[in-house]
Amino acid sequence: DTGVSQDPRHKITKRGQNVTFRCDPISEHNRLYWYRQTLGQGPEFLTYFQNEAQLEKSRLLSDRFSAERPKGSFSTLEIQRTEQGDSAMYLCASSSPIGQPTNTGELFFGEGSRLTVL
Amino acid sequence: AQSVTQLGSHVSVSEGALVLLRCNYSSSVPPYLFWYVQYPNQGLQLLLKYTTGATLVKGINGFEAEFKKSETSFHLTKPSAHMSDAAEYFCAVSEAGTASKLTFGTGTRLQVTL
Repeated sequence: DTGVSQDPRHKITKRGQNVTFRCDPISEHNRLYWYRQTLGQGPEFLTYFQNEAQLEKSRLLSDRFSAERPKGSFSTLEIQRTEQGDSAMYLCASSSPIGQPTNTGELFFGEGSRLTVL
Repeated sequence: AQSVTQLGSHVSVSEGALVLLRCNYSSSVPPYLFWYVQYPNQGLQLLLKYTTGATLVKGINGFEAEFKKSETSFHLTKPSAHMSDAAEYFCAVSEAGTASKLTFGTGTRLQVTL
């Protein structure tokens, strides 16, 4: 098991461009979460999936942001028409199914994708 | 709604001294509580967690935390700081039994000096 994998690790883009981040969760985990972390702050919840269903979205997730998990495995987070305020670390996490002995509530995080918008 | 307050955005201790990082939570339902550590440009690593049972929980790297319901606190301690403990520490809360999203505090940066 290689853990949660995120790609790319770093992305520099110009304002107005679109960017996409990918997250591959731990294989047996059915829940997948996206968080955003700005400098000096704690991670802020954006959205989460259970299998392919997007169950909750934060108000932070403006209409320029879209997340998908089409086959219940990997997920993508797309930001359209990027703004300088979008510069942040985007963290992905996963957890095992509820009710299983392996689920004790913790989330397993990837290394993050750092976005810099110029 | 749940929330976490971490008192002290920066804490500095000498190597070998006691580490105490404070966390208070607010939750309308029984909580699960977590401490995560983050090193520069890396993701979050779980240090320890409280779900049910014993209120004093031990984690990795010699850290421990005690769940005090009456004080709505979950402070993180380590008897003797090491230089390698320098990092950002985050307290988080979720709803017990649902494995729902975690709500994080703003973090405490621990500095360890010689």
